[in-house]
Amino acid sequence: DSGVTQTPKHLITATGQRVTLRCSPRSGDLSVYWYQQSLDQGLQFLIHYYNGEERAKGNILERFSAQQFPDLHSELNLSSLELGDSALYFCASSVGPSNQPQHFGDGTRLSIL
Amino acid sequence: ILNVEQSPQSLHVQEGDSTNFTCSFPSSNFYALHWYRWETAKSPEALFVMTLNGDEKKKGQISATLNTKEGYSYLYIKGSQPEDSATYLCAFTSDSSYKLIFGSGTRLLVRP
Repeated sequence: DSGVTQTPKHLITATGQRVTLRCSPRSGDLSVYWYQQSLDQGLQFLIHYYNGEERAKGNILERFSAQQFPDLHSELNLSSLELGDSALYFCASSVGPSNQPQHFGDGTRLSIL
Repeated sequence: ILNVEQSPQSLHVQEGDSTNFTCSFPSSNFYALHWYRWETAKSPEALFVMTLNGDEKKKGQISATLNTKEGYSYLYIKGSQPEDSATYLCAFTSDSSYKLIFGSGTRLLVRP
């Protein structure tokens, strides 16, 4: 158990809809990272928050947004969903910035019908 | 464009064999190099984070080395066991962007 909690584990929705994925980091970790793993693709970095502030941004679509709250949990919002957004979305946390090991949650599997 | 290459893509070895994989990354603006172990149906698990040229890290039978000047890292597994079967991922962070760029991984299968 990594100590990182992601909810929900599975999400099935339709094109055009909006969903929110939630992540609670390990106790004491200030950094939260979001990744996307599509079919036959590797892990794609989306965004990194450190202590409530955006620290780095990857190839995150404009339809996607994220935030980290004062209690350090994070949410990833995906809107105007398309079939290609179907993927496994991982959250990871670390104590500090990106020179620290990351601890991954179990992921949220998003299926767009 | 930052690119992280891992080789080989996959590797099949016998139990007891020692093996090694390579991770190549940009040699400029280096900040950190991560190694993760990812078993099927699980989430990635951190093995090492290396930040200094010449770093060597060890965890049980797994070790890693880092050469930031030439942009490569090696991961070694001594005496592979079937439970070492997994995909081994490396990830690079530059000090200009702090994004974590993952390679596509080396898939290791250790036959009993």
